Amino acid sequence: DQQVKQNSPSLSVQEGRISILNCDYTNSMFDYFLWYKKYPAEGPTFLISISSIKDKNEDGRFTVFLNKSAKHLSLHIVPSQPGDSAVYFCAAKGNTGFQKLVFGTGTRLLVSP
Amino acid sequence: GAGVSQSPSNKVTEKGKDVELRCDPISGHTALYWYRQSLGQGLEFLIYFQGNSAPDKSGLPSDRFSAERTGGSVSTLTIQRTQQEDSAVYLCASSRDRGYEQYFGPGTRLTVT
Repeated sequence: DQQVKQNSPSLSVQEGRISILNCDYTNSMFDYFLWYKKYPAEGPTFLISISSIKDKNEDGRFTVFLNKSAKHLSLHIVPSQPGDSAVYFCAAKGNTGFQKLVFGTGTRLLVSP
Repeated sequence: GAGVSQSPSNKVTEKGKDVELRCDPISGHTALYWYRQSLGQGLEFLIYFQGNSAPDKSGLPSDRFSAERTGGSVSTLTIQRTQQEDSAVYLCASSRDRGYEQYFGPGTRLTVT
């Protein structure tokens, strides 16, 4: 069973516009969420995270929103730049003891000039 | 560089052969993780090492898979009697402790023919 779902395998956006990447989860024990960005032939790079005690976390052009009741989070990139073109993975974990990161299948973002 | 390194970057092996994949974590990071990403899938947790504690092997898909971490630093993932379904990118990550963001290496692309 896929506990973390990214239902859009790809997204195309024009430079300067907003990119919105979505992620849904099913496990109510998850309380920490992360977004990773991955370029081809490289490992994923941590981008931004959010704890379940918050509903928003912002870092420069990147903002993550968390809706716990809907078990949904989203990553907003404003303004989008061509260098943002990559695969974005959503990940979730619990916070008691060791909790493995559970990843979604990723969304490929293409930002065109 | 001071990032996570993995070797080899690519490995092609015949079905039935054994392979060893190596991971050098970031110096000082006590936690080390192995994941794999099969084609079209998200990252799948395999195993986790934390300091001198017994590793969490709950993600290993079969007893053909094993891993060790010597001296609390370098880790080796071994796959015995490889099968075609083992073909994937194997990613290693490390973190300062179990609760912190994970930093990924570039991965080893394993192809079993």
